[in-house]
Amino acid sequence: KAGVTQTPRYLIKTRGQQVTLSCSPISGHRSVSWYQQTPGQGLQFLFEYFSETQRNKGNFPGRFSGRQFSNSRSEMNVSTLELGDSALYLCASSSGLAGEQFFGPGTRLTVL
Amino acid sequence: GENVEQHPSTLSVQEGDSAVIKCTYSDSASNYFPWYKQELGKRPQLIIDIRSNVGEKKDQRIAVTLNKTAKHFSLHITETQPEDSAVYFCAASKSNTDKLIFGTGTRLQVFP
Repeated sequence: KAGVTQTPRYLIKTRGQQVTLSCSPISGHRSVSWYQQTPGQGLQFLFEYFSETQRNKGNFPGRFSGRQFSNSRSEMNVSTLELGDSALYLCASSSGLAGEQFFGPGTRLTVL
Repeated sequence: GENVEQHPSTLSVQEGDSAVIKCTYSDSASNYFPWYKQELGKRPQLIIDIRSNVGEKKDQRIAVTLNKTAKHFSLHITETQPEDSAVYFCAASKSNTDKLIFGTGTRLQVFP
């Protein structure tokens, strides 16, 4: 089976812009979760989608949003980018039954 | 609130020695505890996990132990090799969700 894929792999934006990141889960997986990884804060949970419904949300401002499509692919959007949003954004997929989660390679976002 | 503490933050061992990383979780409803290994520039990779109905699990040189009463779980790596050098993250989650609460990570260095 192909692994979790994320696009784009690298992104450079300026403050105030918005960005959309994409995640394609492992075939058959219905759950996609998103995490932000920074040197200072570590791995922090953003949100979780299961069968197109947001099942959980982390403590991030409303500028961070996401969605999941009927084919289980997920997107996350960050509006009005701030310098502090620079991070590695990782998505993970699972069957949705609280089982193993497999991470994608991440999207490295740099905000200038 | 939900929190996972991880110690130590860095660990240096000689090749062939054992390494132990410890985590403590705060939410008594947590029942799934995975461990991830992240090499530099790579995605987190699941190396072993344990559920709350089991006290210990072993996979070759890697073992995980869980003490539900104390809310502690630990990763044990025996006969360490230079390729074990990486950052290791513990995490915890509950039923009906894939939301992982991560520890702050342990940088393990194995010297030849």
